[in-house]
Amino acid sequence: KAGVTQTPRYLIKTRGQQVTLSCSPISGHRSVSWYQQTPGQGLQFLFEYFSETQRNKGNFPGRFSGRQFSNSRSEMNVSTLELGDSALYLCASSPTGQKVPGELFFGEGSRLTVL
Amino acid sequence: EDKVVQSPLSLVVHEGDTVTLNCSYEVTNFRSLLWYKQEKKAPTFLFMLTSSGIEKKSGRLSSILDKKELFSILNITATQTGDSAVYLCAGSHITGNQFYFGTGTSLTVIP
Repeated sequence: KAGVTQTPRYLIKTRGQQVTLSCSPISGHRSVSWYQQTPGQGLQFLFEYFSETQRNKGNFPGRFSGRQFSNSRSEMNVSTLELGDSALYLCASSPTGQKVPGELFFGEGSRLTVL
Repeated sequence: EDKVVQSPLSLVVHEGDTVTLNCSYEVTNFRSLLWYKQEKKAPTFLFMLTSSGIEKKSGRLSSILDKKELFSILNITATQTGDSAVYLCAGSHITGNQFYFGTGTSLTVIP
């Protein structure tokens, strides 16, 4: 069974640009979450999608957005990039249903560097 | 404010030692606590704990949750160099999959 796939793995952008990251979850998983990982802050929750609906959202500015498609693939977009957006962006899928807890399965991440 | 705090931040042990990693949490409407191991790549799942007092084991690793005192521990016995990694714990709400992660404990096992 294929794992969580994230693309691109590495990218370099300049301040003010925007970026789109993609995530394909494990087959059958309907929940997709996004996390930002930085050395100082650790993993911070961005948002979670379940069946194409945003179910939870973390405390990030509106420049961070996401969506989920009918095949459960998800994208996140960051507009007007700032230096502080440099981080590893991790996507995680989960087999959880609406009320059953489920572990997160992480992809390898997309490492974004903003110059 | 929901938060998860791990201790110690880092530790260095010799092969064969036993280590205990701590995780305390303050999560509103808490549902589950997860432990992950992260080497230089994606975090890999270790345990999910939802009930207090029930120990989960996997080989040399074990973990337990105390929902009254709001903490969990991860024990690793007979440590090996391959156990060197950052260990993360995360707590979740009762709804959805929003997890609050601690900043991790960096474990280094010396041969």
